[in-house]
Amino acid sequence: DAMVIQNPRYQVTQFGKPVTLSCSQTLNHNVMYWYQQKSSQAPKLLFHYYDKDFNNEADTPDNFQSRRPNTSFCFLDIRSPGLGDAAMYLCATSWGGPDQPQHFGDGTRLSIL
Amino acid sequence: GDSVTQMEGPVTLSEEAFLTINCTYTATGYPSLFWYVQYPGEGLQLLLKATKADDKGSNKGFEATYRKETTSFHLEKGSVQVSDSAVYFCAHNGGSQGNLIFGKGTKLSVKP
Repeated sequence: DAMVIQNPRYQVTQFGKPVTLSCSQTLNHNVMYWYQQKSSQAPKLLFHYYDKDFNNEADTPDNFQSRRPNTSFCFLDIRSPGLGDAAMYLCATSWGGPDQPQHFGDGTRLSIL
Repeated sequence: GDSVTQMEGPVTLSEEAFLTINCTYTATGYPSLFWYVQYPGEGLQLLLKATKADDKGSNKGFEATYRKETTSFHLEKGSVQVSDSAVYFCAHNGGSQGNLIFGKGTKLSVKP
C-alpha cells in the first residue's frame, strides 16, 4: 500500500564519503521533490523534477545532486557529506497542479561519522 | 516574500481539550493551503487542504477554513486524543513553480 518509498530508512556514512539516497513511487506522479529537514525545523526544498526537467533551489549546495532515471525513481547524491548534512531527507511527489498536495515518504535519516 | 507563520510550540493539552493552532500566510495571488502532520520518525502526511477562499478542509476531526480577508488557515479540533501528539505544519503552494512554503511547525503533546 506504500506509495512513496524511501530507502534506506537510516543511513550512516563517513565524513566526505559519497552517499546515495533513493526514492520510488507507485503513484505515477510527474513531479518529485527532495527536502532536507533538520531537527525541529520545517522541511527545506533542495530541488525537484517536473517530469525530466530538473529545478534546483538557489541556495542548495553544489554538494547535492539528483538523478531521475524514470518516472518512478529519483535519487539524491551527496558527493562529500559534511557534518552539517546530517538530517532527515524527505522525498515527495505530486501532480504539480495548483491544488495538488504533495505525498511524502517516511524519510531517510542520514548520520555522518 | 511568500511565507507562512504559525504559532510557536510546544503546545501541551489534556485529552479531550479543544485545540487551535494559528496559521497566517503571505502570498502573491491565491494559493492552496494545507496542513500536514508529522508523527515521530515519519514523513509528513497530508491532514487537510483548502483550495479557495471560504473552503473548509476537514479530516479526522480536524478542521481549517481558508480566510482570505485575514490570510489565515487556523487548525482546530474539538477534542484531542493522545494519538494526535505530533508536529503540525501549515503550508501553501504559492512559491515559485507552485512549490510548498512551510511554517516552522507546531509540536503538540496530548497528555492522558
